[in-house]
Amino acid sequence: GESVGLHLPTLSVQEGDNSIINCAYSNSASDYFIWYKQESGKGPQFIIDIRSNMDKRQGQRVTVLLNKTVKHLSLQIAATQPGDSAVYFCAENIGQGGKLIFGQGTELSVKP
Amino acid sequence: DGGITQSPKYLFRKEGQNVTLSCEQNLNHDAMYWYRQDPGQGLRLIYYSQIVNDFQKGDIAEGYSVSREKKESFPLTVTSAQKNPTAFYLCASSSRGGGDSYEQYFGPGTRLTVT
Repeated sequence: GESVGLHLPTLSVQEGDNSIINCAYSNSASDYFIWYKQESGKGPQFIIDIRSNMDKRQGQRVTVLLNKTVKHLSLQIAATQPGDSAVYFCAENIGQGGKLIFGQGTELSVKP
Repeated sequence: DGGITQSPKYLFRKEGQNVTLSCEQNLNHDAMYWYRQDPGQGLRLIYYSQIVNDFQKGDIAEGYSVSREKKESFPLTVTSAQKNPTAFYLCASSSRGGGDSYEQYFGPGTRLTVT
């Protein structure tokens, strides 16, 4: 039968505001986390990553926060721009194999 | 100009036909991956290969097959046994966790429609 698509969680922000996208990960043994941005019809692009021995890492206009106690990851985007509109995925790695487990994704919509 | 290429961007097939999706990388990466993405959902791992001539099933391997005869290439065949093959297919590669990063580099994707 035909599958029904799920509705992605959506975050709508005003241009210039800060955005916070949240992600709950599944395995307390995960040692590496990564955020990707995916624009419509394209492959995911790397934004920022963090290892489990850190709780914060900053990039250009982006910050990733890791709370291992509650298995929570967040991506903060400063001064959000229309070009930031996309679906954002978090992913976690467990062990040495290099496999990533992806979350469902959050759709960010930036209003001009 | 290094990267991952997938071809074609759009592919149309009739039900019952096998179809092969191409993935090539010139990043000298050991590991390569195939994901399936359905509307409103995340990426689901079909197959992955950590080294030439070796590959493992991912979470949704049924109805798919792969080969890894060359380091640069990891083609995916969608067989007629795949019940719902219409989807967006993404190929990725990584350096197998060398250093501090497990970053996977993604291709532009192939949208397969089977009618």
